[in-house]
Amino acid sequence: EAGVTQSPTHLIKTRGQQATLRCSPISGHTSVYWYQQALGLGLQFLLWYDEGEERNRGNFPPRFSGRQFPNYSSELNVNALELEDSALYLCASSLEAAPLHFGNGTRLTVT
Amino acid sequence: GQNIDQPTEMTATEGAIVQINCTYQTSGFNGLFWYQQHAGEAPTFLSYNVLDGLEEKGRFSSFLSRSKGYSYLLLKELQMKDSASYLCAVRDRGSARQLTFGSGTQLTVLP
Repeated sequence: EAGVTQSPTHLIKTRGQQATLRCSPISGHTSVYWYQQALGLGLQFLLWYDEGEERNRGNFPPRFSGRQFPNYSSELNVNALELEDSALYLCASSLEAAPLHFGNGTRLTVT
Repeated sequence: GQNIDQPTEMTATEGAIVQINCTYQTSGFNGLFWYQQHAGEAPTFLSYNVLDGLEEKGRFSSFLSRSKGYSYLLLKELQMKDSASYLCAVRDRGSARQLTFGSGTQLTVLP
């Protein structure tokens, strides 16, 4: 069974640009979660999607947004990038209330 | 909101036993999770407790006391490959399924 896959692995952007990160959940999982892990910090919850709808969002500004497609894959968009957005962005999937399974992440660097 | 505390760093010797503590404060509780994260890799699920008591899984065990807001992860017969960050996470009661993570405990296993 394929795990959670994320692309790209690395992304370098300039301040003010937009970044798009992609995630494919484990087959059969309907929920997708996005987390930010800045260097030396814990995982901070960004967004939760289930059955195509945004169900909850963390304490992040509106320039962090996303969507979930009919095949349950998901995109995270970050607009007007700031230097402090540099971090590892982790996607996880689950089926209902089961434990989350994480992908390997996208390392975003903003210069 | 939720507040999760765990030690920042721990060191132990190969073959020994180590206990990583986690305390939490939450307005609701619907499960506590432990994840392992090696540097540069995705967090991987280790254990889940929703009722008080001990859950054992091979060399790893996790304990929960809901009345004390306390959990620990016990690692026996430590191996060098157990050097990693161990993340404690709590799921709130209600419809929200995302996890809130502590900052993680960096465990170093010495020969």
